Amino acid sequence: EVQLLESGGGLVQPGGSLRLSCAASGFTFSDYAMSWVRQAPGQGLEWVSAINQRSDSNTYYADSVKGRFSISRDNSKNTLYLQMNIVRAEDTAVYFCAKTHYDILDVWGQGTTVTVSS
Amino acid sequence: DIVMTQTPLSLPVTLGQPASISCRSSQSLVHSDGNTYLSWLQQRPGQPPRLLIYKISNRFSGVPDRFSGSGAGTDFTLKISRVEAEDVGVYYCMQATQFPRTFGRGTKVEIK
Repeated sequence: EVQLLESGGGLVQPGGSLRLSCAASGFTFSDYAMSWVRQAPGQGLEWVSAINQRSDSNTYYADSVKGRFSISRDNSKNTLYLQMNIVRAEDTAVYFCAKTHYDILDVWGQGTTVTVSS
Repeated sequence: DIVMTQTPLSLPVTLGQPASISCRSSQSLVHSDGNTYLSWLQQRPGQPPRLLIYKISNRFSGVPDRFSGSGAGTDFTLKISRVEAEDVGVYYCMQATQFPRTFGRGTKVEIK
């Protein structure tokens, strides 16, 4: 069974940093691109970032996080990461990772909650 | 960025009756590879999103056949042939033809 388990969320002060992880199982992680999507409280879905299959592969970002967030992956550990720097109140959200098959976000994790507040 | 416009934003439906959600994109979603990367996702209360339909009309694994997708270019529709209680939630269209990926605002389906 394909499973994605996000972790690393929590309370962080404005201007601080946080690293989210997404542990994958049930599929050959290195064969698939991966994505991060977030959902602010009571709001809709916002795409955040994506990375192709290889560790040194192409990365993509929403303008709202470009220059502050960094996506990466460790295929030997079947894990996706999102390094969040210089966080803002508007980054408060549930962050989902999603397995991405030919640009289709086909399986989603349960999400991890990030709260940015002083 | 491609803007995805969903209508309606709220959809009260009667159990057993059909339902339809529209999604319009601000530009064509036809990719240079010939595919149209328009997906529909369902988010039940308290749950993560779940893929229902990809590339306009393809049902994802395990999705009941009462869900169907159609459309082309910039206009797309999700239909539920007979609404069941478990279909309550918010439905999103999403385009993956171009970066950044973008979502519609969501349509909340509730039972009358």
